[in-house]
Amino acid sequence: DAGVTQSPTHLIKTRGQHVTLRCSPISGHKSVSWYQQVLGQGPQFIFQYYEKEERGRGNFPDRFSARQFPNYSSELNVNALLLGDSALYLCASSLFRSSSTDTQYFGPGTRLTVL
Amino acid sequence: AQSVTQLGSHVSVSEGALVLLRCNYSSSVPPYLFWYVQYPNQGLQLLLKYTSAATLVKGINGFEAEFKKSETSFHLTKPSAHMSDAAEYFCAVTRRDSNYQLIWGAGTKLIIKP
Repeated sequence: DAGVTQSPTHLIKTRGQHVTLRCSPISGHKSVSWYQQVLGQGPQFIFQYYEKEERGRGNFPDRFSARQFPNYSSELNVNALLLGDSALYLCASSLFRSSSTDTQYFGPGTRLTVL
Repeated sequence: AQSVTQLGSHVSVSEGALVLLRCNYSSSVPPYLFWYVQYPNQGLQLLLKYTSAATLVKGINGFEAEFKKSETSFHLTKPSAHMSDAAEYFCAVTRRDSNYQLIWGAGTKLIIKP
């Protein structure tokens, strides 16, 4: 079975531009979460979507937005890019919403570099 | 607020030696605790998780962790290190009443010496 897939794998943008990152969950998984991992740090939670609705949001500015489509794939959008947005963006999928019973399966990430 | 502290950004052990990676958490309610591993240029893979069943949790690749409430710790161990264990290890916590948000430690890079 295919795991979580993310595209693109690498991306270079300049300050002020916007970017769209894509994630396809494992087949049958209805929950997708997004994380930002800055070099040398642990991941930071950005969003969780379940059944196409936002169920959780981390401490990120409104420049960050996301959505989940009827096929449960998801997009993360970041507007007005800043140098500090350079990071590895990870997508994770799980069957349900609750982390107490679910395992989150992570994709390989998208490496975003902002120049 | 919840938080996770991983002691030691880098840990170096010899092949065949005991691996001990430390994780301490703070949480006002009983937590769920996780250890993930990240190999270079790859995503995160779950090693094991504690969800209030047995306090000694066995995971993949010979790793295990023990939940100690009195010490607010969830240290990861493996009796005998293998070269293939070289990776970065992350401890994470979430609350049973949370909105599914995982709070992560900063990670510990495990180096295996031949």
